[in-house]
Amino acid sequence: AQSVTQLGSHVSVSEGALVLLRCNYSSSVPPYLFWYVQYPNQGLQLLLKYTTGATLVKGINGFEAEFKKSETSFHLTKPSAHMSDAAEYFCAVVRSTSYGKLTFGQGTILTVHP
Amino acid sequence: DTGVSQDPRHKITKRGQNVTFRCDPISEHNRLYWYRQTLGQGPEFLTYFQNEAQLEKSRLLSDRFSAERPKGSFSTLEIQRTEQGDSAMYLCASSLGDGYTFGSGTRLTVV
Repeated sequence: AQSVTQLGSHVSVSEGALVLLRCNYSSSVPPYLFWYVQYPNQGLQLLLKYTTGATLVKGINGFEAEFKKSETSFHLTKPSAHMSDAAEYFCAVVRSTSYGKLTFGQGTILTVHP
Repeated sequence: DTGVSQDPRHKITKRGQNVTFRCDPISEHNRLYWYRQTLGQGPEFLTYFQNEAQLEKSRLLSDRFSAERPKGSFSTLEIQRTEQGDSAMYLCASSLGDGYTFGSGTRLTVV
């Protein structure tokens, strides 16, 4: 079975500051990992994903995440926050051997202050 | 590629009524998923299809919920005898391999 824990249900940063959203996963087989962003009353938009290859993954809007197997982590970062980054972010895991359903974390709401 | 379409976007229904939602996946995607999301929570898996076959159904899904994907194209999710606890956003996604795309969701309010 897979599970995801997102540490911190709310993160608040100032515009221009570093964004760090934490995600730890549990998986019985090698995982594929995803970060999605959700704006109010909208669906989920893919930010980035790790499947194979380079463990540092770059996504849209300046976000990146690093897969660390030894720490079972896939934290999301952005060097400089923008007001438009304010949203809810979800980390998700799926079994790399069979794909199938994504298992999501509880989400982290990012607030950006001017 | 027109993305994943869900209809309706919003539904308000009285408790005890039946509702049906539709999802049109990306045409070349062979898998289709339904999730439920309540306020402040991550999406919760309900069920998924590979082509027309329903491969997995969450144990959390009561008998009032049923999903179909005739001919392996669009899918419908029906909720019978709705309860206030069914109020949520219902998300549909489709995938091919490791590429998952979500629709904008159907927000259900049961009054």
